[in-house]
Amino acid sequence: AQRVTQPEKLLSVFKGAPVELKCNYSYSGSPELFWYVQYSRQRLQLLLRHISRESIKGFTADLNKGETSFHLKKPFAQEEDSAMYYCAPLYNFNKFYFGSGTKLNVKP
Amino acid sequence: ETGVTQTPRHLVMGMTNKKSLKCEQHLGHNAMYWYKQSAKKPLELMFVYSLEERVENNSVPSRFSPECPNSSHLFLHLHTLQPEDSALYLCASSQDRAGVSYNEQFFGPGTRLTVL
Repeated sequence: AQRVTQPEKLLSVFKGAPVELKCNYSYSGSPELFWYVQYSRQRLQLLLRHISRESIKGFTADLNKGETSFHLKKPFAQEEDSAMYYCAPLYNFNKFYFGSGTKLNVKP
Repeated sequence: ETGVTQTPRHLVMGMTNKKSLKCEQHLGHNAMYWYKQSAKKPLELMFVYSLEERVENNSVPSRFSPECPNSSHLFLHLHTLQPEDSALYLCASSQDRAGVSYNEQFFGPGTRLTVL
């Protein structure tokens, strides 16, 4: 079965500090990797996807196939980054497997 | 209304009731999804419809019955639910393209369901 592990339920950092949200996925084929984010009182939305090699709101994510990881990073966290972050590999067309999520709390 | 909408936003029902959740997408997408988000579990995919055909049913109990009458609407019919079915039910949509397996999904706000 496909698995996604986000080991930290809660991550608290101070504003301006670097942040890394960890994600490991079980290997089966070549999933596409996504990060979704849910801000307070907002709906779940796409943050970034590996295929686009993009940086969104200062966040980047590096795919390490050897370690089957797709950690999300930002060098300088901002208070508005506080949210729930979900790692989501996409397998077999349309089938997302979401991690349990990491709540990021950026303190002033 | 734009994006993905869901009604009702909150629903309280007894175990013997029958109710339906509605989802509508205004994005011209051809695939729609139901997810369940429980307090202590990861977001779980329940059903996938692509071009109005059900292509995925993730071992969901029969007390949940999906219906997709057209590419813009998706329903989840509920009957004889259990208290453990209380959760946030999310609808999503995406645009399927042949040979493309990395389509972003757009989510609705969810229906908060409480089963008494």
